Amino acid sequence: QQQVKQSPQSLIVQKGGISIINCAYENTAFDYFPWYQQFPGKGPALLIAIRPDVSEKKEGRFTISFNKSAKQFSLHIMDSQPGDSATYFCAAKQHTRYIFGTGTRLKVLA
Amino acid sequence: NAGVTQTPKFQVLKTGQSMTLQCAQDMNHEYMSWYRQDPGMGLRLIHYSVGAGITDQGEVPNGYNVSRSTTEDFPLRLLSAAPSQTSVYFCASSYNRVGETQYFGPGTRLLVL
Repeated sequence: QQQVKQSPQSLIVQKGGISIINCAYENTAFDYFPWYQQFPGKGPALLIAIRPDVSEKKEGRFTISFNKSAKQFSLHIMDSQPGDSATYFCAAKQHTRYIFGTGTRLKVLA
Repeated sequence: NAGVTQTPKFQVLKTGQSMTLQCAQDMNHEYMSWYRQDPGMGLRLIHYSVGAGITDQGEVPNGYNVSRSTTEDFPLRLLSAAPSQTSVYFCASSYNRVGETQYFGPGTRLLVL
């Protein structure tokens, strides 16, 4: 049972454009929502995270928007660069368990 | 700090064979977990541990065993490998508090023939 739904599956963006990846969840008991970035052959690495009492968090070019009532959250990558080309996973945590989305493969064209 | 280390990097098994995937961390993290990553499925939690001597099942525990005798080590055992267990396996660790970063190892690529 997939509790965190992620879209799109793949995304192609021009250099300098905005990349937007969306996730939706069902379980209102989730209390932490991280985004991970994974390059080929590597393990995922934490990119940015948010708690449900905050509606937006920004770190450099990366922003999480969180809509608690709609049970949705999204990652925005501003001024996307070819080096951002990777697979991105959203996740949700409840107590000690993380549930991951299925991933979005982002390609930023030079 | 070496962070989270995993061995081996790659392994080929025959159906029915057993093996242990090793995971170690040197950050004194209480929480450790094992995931498998399959195309289109994201990362699925196999087993996790919140401290030495404490383990629990995740989403897909069947066919796998774990133990946590020390804070540092969290091995994953495949009792009788099946082709369906062909996957990339990641170990991760963190402090057991909300908001703590979960650090992933480099992964073990397993092929079961």
